[in-house]
Amino acid sequence: RKEVEQDPGPFNVPEGATVAFNCTYSNSASQSFFWYRQDCRKEPKLLMSVYSSGNEDGRFTAQLNRASQYISLLIRDSKLSDSATYLCVVFDYKLSFGAGTTVTVRA
Amino acid sequence: GAGVSQSPRYKVAKRGQDVALRCDPISGHVSLFWYQQALGQGPEFLTYFQNEAQLDKSGLPSDRFFAERPEGSVSTLKIQRTQQEDSAVYLCASSLEAAFSTDTQYFGPGTRLTVL
Repeated sequence: RKEVEQDPGPFNVPEGATVAFNCTYSNSASQSFFWYRQDCRKEPKLLMSVYSSGNEDGRFTAQLNRASQYISLLIRDSKLSDSATYLCVVFDYKLSFGAGTTVTVRA
Repeated sequence: GAGVSQSPRYKVAKRGQDVALRCDPISGHVSLFWYQQALGQGPEFLTYFQNEAQLDKSGLPSDRFFAERPEGSVSTLKIQRTQQEDSAVYLCASSLEAAFSTDTQYFGPGTRLTVL
Protein backbone atom coordinates (compact mmCIF):
# COMPACT_ATOMS: atom_id res chain seq x y z
CA ARG A 1 0.00 0.00 0.00
CA LYS A 2 1.34 3.41 -0.93
CA GLU A 3 1.94 5.83 1.90
CA VAL A 4 -0.22 8.53 0.28
CA GLU A 5 -3.23 7.73 -1.92
CA GLN A 6 -5.07 10.25 -4.07
CA ASP A 7 -7.98 10.19 -6.47
CA PRO A 8 -6.21 10.83 -9.78
CA GLY A 9 -9.23 12.59 -11.32
CA PRO A 10 -9.31 14.25 -13.72
CA PHE A 11 -11.69 16.86 -12.43
CA ASN A 12 -13.00 18.99 -15.28
CA VAL A 13 -14.82 22.04 -13.98
CA PRO A 14 -16.05 25.33 -15.46
CA GLU A 15 -14.56 28.62 -14.43
CA GLY A 16 -16.06 29.86 -11.20
CA ALA A 17 -16.94 26.40 -9.92
CA THR A 18 -15.85 24.89 -6.64
CA VAL A 19 -13.83 21.70 -6.76
CA ALA A 20 -12.73 19.55 -3.85
CA PHE A 21 -10.67 16.41 -3.55
CA ASN A 22 -8.76 14.59 -0.87
CA CYS A 23 -6.10 12.07 -0.11
CA THR A 24 -5.43 9.50 2.56
CA TYR A 25 -2.18 8.66 4.30
CA SER A 26 -1.11 5.48 6.02
CA ASN A 27 1.26 6.58 8.78
CA SER A 28 -0.81 7.69 11.75
CA ALA A 29 2.29 9.22 13.33
CA SER A 30 2.79 11.71 10.48
CA GLN A 31 2.85 15.27 11.71
CA SER A 32 3.15 17.61 8.76
CA PHE A 33 1.16 17.83 5.57
CA PHE A 34 1.24 19.94 2.47
CA TRP A 35 -0.37 20.46 -0.89
CA TYR A 36 1.98 21.01 -3.80
CA ARG A 37 1.01 22.10 -7.27
CA GLN A 38 2.70 20.76 -10.38
CA ASP A 39 2.15 22.19 -13.84
CA CYS A 40 2.79 20.03 -16.90
CA ARG A 41 6.50 19.34 -17.29
CA LYS A 42 7.38 21.63 -14.40
CA GLU A 43 8.69 21.01 -10.92
CA PRO A 44 6.37 20.75 -7.91
CA LYS A 45 5.81 23.98 -6.01
CA LEU A 46 4.46 24.39 -2.52
CA LEU A 47 0.84 25.53 -2.57
CA MET A 48 0.09 25.50 1.13
CA SER A 49 0.68 23.76 4.40
CA VAL A 50 -2.18 21.88 6.05
CA TYR A 51 -2.86 22.56 9.72
CA SER A 52 -4.96 20.55 12.13
CA SER A 53 -7.47 23.34 12.54
CA GLY A 54 -7.86 23.79 8.80
CA ASN A 55 -6.55 26.80 6.95
CA GLU A 56 -7.33 29.06 4.04
CA ASP A 57 -5.13 30.81 1.55
CA GLY A 58 -7.28 32.98 -0.66
CA ARG A 59 -9.53 30.69 -2.68
CA PHE A 60 -7.86 27.54 -1.34
CA THR A 61 -8.95 25.74 1.82
CA ALA A 62 -7.11 22.77 3.28
CA GLN A 63 -8.45 20.45 5.96
CA LEU A 64 -6.85 17.66 7.96
CA ASN A 65 -8.75 14.82 9.62
CA ARG A 66 -6.28 12.94 11.79
CA ALA A 67 -8.80 10.38 13.00
CA SER A 68 -9.57 9.26 9.47
CA GLN A 69 -6.11 10.10 8.14
CA TYR A 70 -7.24 12.19 5.24
CA ILE A 71 -6.42 15.61 3.91
CA SER A 72 -8.61 17.68 1.65
CA LEU A 73 -8.21 20.64 -0.67
CA LEU A 74 -11.05 22.85 -1.83
CA ILE A 75 -10.71 25.44 -4.55
CA ARG A 76 -13.42 28.11 -4.75
CA ASP A 77 -14.19 30.29 -7.75
CA SER A 78 -11.82 28.30 -9.98
CA LYS A 79 -9.68 30.14 -12.49
CA LEU A 80 -8.24 28.83 -15.73
CA SER A 81 -4.83 29.21 -14.12
CA ASP A 82 -5.78 26.68 -11.45
CA SER A 83 -5.47 23.90 -14.05
CA ALA A 84 -2.66 21.70 -12.74
CA THR A 85 -1.91 18.51 -10.87
CA TYR A 86 -2.27 18.83 -7.12
CA LEU A 87 0.04 16.63 -5.08
CA CYS A 88 -0.80 15.61 -1.54
CA VAL A 89 2.36 15.44 0.54
CA VAL A 90 3.18 13.98 3.93
CA PHE A 91 6.37 15.15 5.61
CA ASP A 92 8.34 12.69 7.72
CA TYR A 93 11.66 14.54 7.22
CA LYS A 94 11.45 13.54 3.57
CA LEU A 95 8.43 14.29 1.43
CA SER A 96 6.10 11.45 0.51
CA PHE A 97 3.93 12.38 -2.45
CA GLY A 98 0.65 11.05 -3.70
CA ALA A 99 0.33 10.41 -7.41
CA GLY A 100 -1.55 13.69 -7.86
CA THR A 101 -5.06 14.84 -8.72
CA THR A 102 -5.45 16.50 -12.10
CA VAL A 103 -7.73 19.52 -12.27
CA THR A 104 -8.73 21.15 -15.54
CA VAL A 105 -10.69 24.40 -15.43
CA ARG A 106 -12.47 25.21 -18.69
CA ALA A 107 -13.72 28.56 -19.92
CA GLY B 1 17.77 35.08 -6.36
CA ALA B 2 18.93 31.89 -8.06
CA GLY B 3 16.89 28.80 -7.38
CA VAL B 4 17.85 25.15 -7.63
CA SER B 5 19.32 24.32 -11.00
CA GLN B 6 19.80 20.95 -12.63
CA SER B 7 21.69 19.80 -15.68
CA PRO B 8 21.24 18.48 -18.20
CA ARG B 9 17.54 19.22 -18.54
CA TYR B 10 17.11 16.31 -20.94
CA LYS B 11 19.20 13.20 -21.36
CA VAL B 12 18.76 10.34 -23.77
CA ALA B 13 20.84 7.27 -23.07
CA LYS B 14 21.14 3.89 -24.69
CA ARG B 15 20.46 0.95 -22.43
CA GLY B 16 23.64 0.03 -20.61
CA GLN B 17 25.17 3.51 -20.66
CA ASP B 18 26.19 5.35 -17.50
CA VAL B 19 24.71 8.80 -16.85
CA ALA B 20 25.49 11.60 -14.39
CA LEU B 21 22.90 14.16 -13.35
CA ARG B 22 23.92 17.36 -11.62
CA CYS B 23 22.13 19.46 -9.03
CA ASP B 24 23.14 22.94 -7.88
CA PRO B 25 21.13 23.71 -4.73
CA ILE B 26 20.35 27.16 -3.44
CA SER B 27 23.51 28.59 -1.91
CA GLY B 28 23.79 27.90 1.80
CA HIS B 29 21.12 25.22 1.89
CA VAL B 30 22.04 22.42 4.24
CA SER B 31 19.65 19.75 3.00
CA LEU B 32 19.56 18.22 -0.45
CA PHE B 33 17.14 15.59 -1.67
CA TRP B 34 16.86 13.56 -4.86
CA TYR B 35 13.47 12.31 -6.06
CA GLN B 36 12.46 10.19 -9.04
CA GLN B 37 9.17 10.92 -10.81
CA ALA B 38 7.84 8.36 -13.25
CA LEU B 39 5.21 9.36 -15.78
CA GLY B 40 1.82 9.85 -14.15
CA GLN B 41 3.18 9.38 -10.64
CA GLY B 42 4.22 11.63 -7.81
CA PRO B 43 7.90 12.06 -6.99
CA GLU B 44 9.47 9.21 -5.01
CA PHE B 45 12.27 9.82 -2.51
CA LEU B 46 15.70 8.50 -3.49
CA THR B 47 18.29 9.92 -1.11
CA TYR B 48 19.07 12.73 1.33
CA PHE B 49 22.22 14.71 2.14
CA GLN B 50 22.83 16.94 5.10
CA ASN B 51 25.80 18.98 3.93
CA GLU B 52 28.23 16.39 2.56
CA ALA B 53 26.87 13.48 4.58
CA GLN B 54 24.49 11.08 2.87
CA LEU B 55 22.17 10.30 5.77
CA ASP B 56 19.52 8.31 3.93
CA LYS B 57 19.80 6.34 0.72
CA SER B 58 16.92 4.01 1.40
CA GLY B 59 15.03 5.08 -1.72
CA LEU B 60 17.74 4.23 -4.23
CA PRO B 61 16.16 1.44 -6.33
CA SER B 62 19.32 -0.57 -6.93
CA ASP B 63 23.07 -0.55 -6.48
CA ARG B 64 23.32 0.95 -9.96
CA PHE B 65 22.30 4.27 -8.41
CA PHE B 66 24.89 6.32 -6.59
CA ALA B 67 24.79 9.90 -5.30
CA GLU B 68 27.41 12.19 -3.86
CA ARG B 69 27.76 15.70 -2.52
CA PRO B 70 31.49 15.86 -1.70
CA GLU B 71 31.75 19.52 -0.68
CA GLY B 72 28.27 19.95 0.71
CA SER B 73 26.99 21.99 -2.20
CA VAL B 74 26.69 20.53 -5.72
CA SER B 75 25.39 16.98 -5.90
CA THR B 76 25.64 14.35 -8.61
CA LEU B 77 23.33 11.40 -9.10
CA LYS B 78 24.96 8.67 -11.15
CA ILE B 79 23.16 5.76 -12.73
CA GLN B 80 25.27 2.92 -14.05
CA ARG B 81 24.23 0.52 -16.80
CA THR B 82 20.93 2.32 -17.36
CA GLN B 83 17.79 0.29 -17.93
CA GLN B 84 14.51 1.30 -19.57
CA GLU B 85 12.77 1.37 -16.20
CA ASP B 86 15.16 4.16 -15.16
CA SER B 87 13.36 6.51 -17.58
CA ALA B 88 11.85 9.23 -15.40
CA VAL B 89 12.28 12.82 -14.32
CA TYR B 90 14.91 13.17 -11.61
CA LEU B 91 14.17 16.06 -9.29
CA CYS B 92 16.54 17.68 -6.86
CA ALA B 93 15.29 19.75 -3.92
CA SER B 94 17.10 21.75 -1.27
CA SER B 95 16.10 23.33 1.99
CA LEU B 96 17.86 25.76 4.28
CA GLU B 97 17.86 23.69 7.43
CA ALA B 98 18.49 20.11 8.39
CA ALA B 99 15.74 17.84 7.22
CA PHE B 100 13.90 17.28 10.48
CA SER B 101 12.52 20.79 10.32
CA THR B 102 9.53 21.45 8.11
CA ASP B 103 11.52 24.01 6.21
CA THR B 104 10.26 24.36 2.66
CA GLN B 105 11.96 22.21 0.05
CA TYR B 106 12.62 24.06 -3.19
CA PHE B 107 12.67 21.95 -6.31
CA GLY B 108 14.82 22.25 -9.39
CA PRO B 109 13.32 21.88 -12.88
CA GLY B 110 14.38 18.26 -13.10
CA THR B 111 16.33 16.16 -15.57
CA ARG B 112 14.17 14.11 -17.91
CA LEU B 113 16.01 10.85 -18.57
CA THR B 114 14.94 8.62 -21.43
CA VAL B 115 16.61 5.24 -21.79
CA LEU B 116 16.21 3.64 -25.19
